[in-house]
Amino acid sequence: EDQVTQSPEALRLQEGESSSLNCSYTVSGLRGLFWYRQDPGKGPEFLFTLYSAGEEKEKERLKATLTKKESFLHITAPKPEDSATYLCAVQALGGNDMRFGAGTRLTVKP
Amino acid sequence: SQTIHQWPATLVQPVGSPLSLECTVEGTSNPNLYWYRQAAGRGLQLLFYSVGIGQISSEVPQNLSASRPQDRQFILSSKKLLLSDSGFYLCAWSVRGTGRYGYTFGSGTRLTVV
Repeated sequence: EDQVTQSPEALRLQEGESSSLNCSYTVSGLRGLFWYRQDPGKGPEFLFTLYSAGEEKEKERLKATLTKKESFLHITAPKPEDSATYLCAVQALGGNDMRFGAGTRLTVKP
Repeated sequence: SQTIHQWPATLVQPVGSPLSLECTVEGTSNPNLYWYRQAAGRGLQLLFYSVGIGQISSEVPQNLSASRPQDRQFILSSKKLLLSDSGFYLCAWSVRGTGRYGYTFGSGTRLTVV
């Protein structure tokens, strides 16, 4: 069965303090790994899709990387507006749905 | 552009009452549609997905059902709500045949069963 584990559950950073979020996964065959951002009381917002080991994607202060077993979301010089829950999900080859991790709740203090 | 509408935003229902949540998508055809539930502090649990009109797949046994009466309409229902049905319900759509663009989620419905 496909599994996604995210760590840490919560992360508190000072503004400008870079860090990384981890997503470990097991899947029978990976079609794609996805990162989402979710603000309180709202639906998740799509950030990135990664397809193969070694691939990297960037958007503003966020950079996602992928290996055969895990993905990292690197946050460089975060700002308070980056505070949110970040969700990781995997989709298996031939699958029609995604399996989500429980998320990492990021708080960036000014 | 594509948009997804989900309503109501919040709902408080007594135990044993019926439920109907509606989701519609605009600006695309033949989407895959999904219902997820998110419990507090937990990940998204897939409830149902649909690849076409009248085609519903259920992931977990539960007190809920789903229907897709039109191509871009997805409905989540229950005949009798349980306390354990409380949660944040999210509808989503994706382009059929590829996960390249991820899912687009609605704004969610916060359901509290009392």
